[in-house]
Amino acid sequence: KNEVEQSPQNLTAQEGEFITINCSYSVGISALHWLQQHPGGGIVSLFMLSSGKKKHGRLIATINIQEKHSSLHITASHPRDSAVYICAVNRNTGNQFYFGTGTSLTVIP
Amino acid sequence: NAGVTQTPKFQVLKTGQSMTLQCAQDMNHEYMSWYRQDPGMGLRLIHYSVGAGITDQGEVPNGYNVSRSTTEDFPLRLLSAAPSQTSVYFCASSYSIGSRGNTEAFFGQGTRLTVV
Repeated sequence: KNEVEQSPQNLTAQEGEFITINCSYSVGISALHWLQQHPGGGIVSLFMLSSGKKKHGRLIATINIQEKHSSLHITASHPRDSAVYICAVNRNTGNQFYFGTGTSLTVIP
Repeated sequence: NAGVTQTPKFQVLKTGQSMTLQCAQDMNHEYMSWYRQDPGMGLRLIHYSVGAGITDQGEVPNGYNVSRSTTEDFPLRLLSAAPSQTSVYFCASSYSIGSRGNTEAFFGQGTRLTVV
């Protein structure tokens, strides 16, 4: 079983919809990351969280340490948000990352 | 400040050929790592390094070698390419923030490797 589970695997939304992507993990962590990967592109870090909530533009990330769960929300989605969103965690020890399999988001105009 | 520079972006190899994927970072990060990304799977750690002269194996190290002679460079070598090594490869460098050891990572653009 993967230490990091994401849902859904695929998501299609109409432009303007509110989107939620979920991430659950089963290990002790020091931080959780949300990453974005555009088709054929590199990986960009969106958020690093160890508690609470962070907001950047239309993106909001939350984490519940007790429940070992994080969500990434996109408000007023836009076709340019179409990408793969990856949840990754740092274990309590070391700098290694453990990755979810990603959520492929397509936003239709 | 270029961040993490990874080359080449695309490569096609014949089975049995060798090649080196290059990775360089200019942020003076101690920790560097190589991952492969395959359909339906999360990124998997191949090898990592916690500093110059120190490397260690990750989850899927077989068929790959690494070295870390300088802080900046962390090349990944495929000694004898196999079709199972067809994948997208990412190099990352990272550093710890604060006393809790939270790690921020920076990724290269990826190398799409096809072994025929």
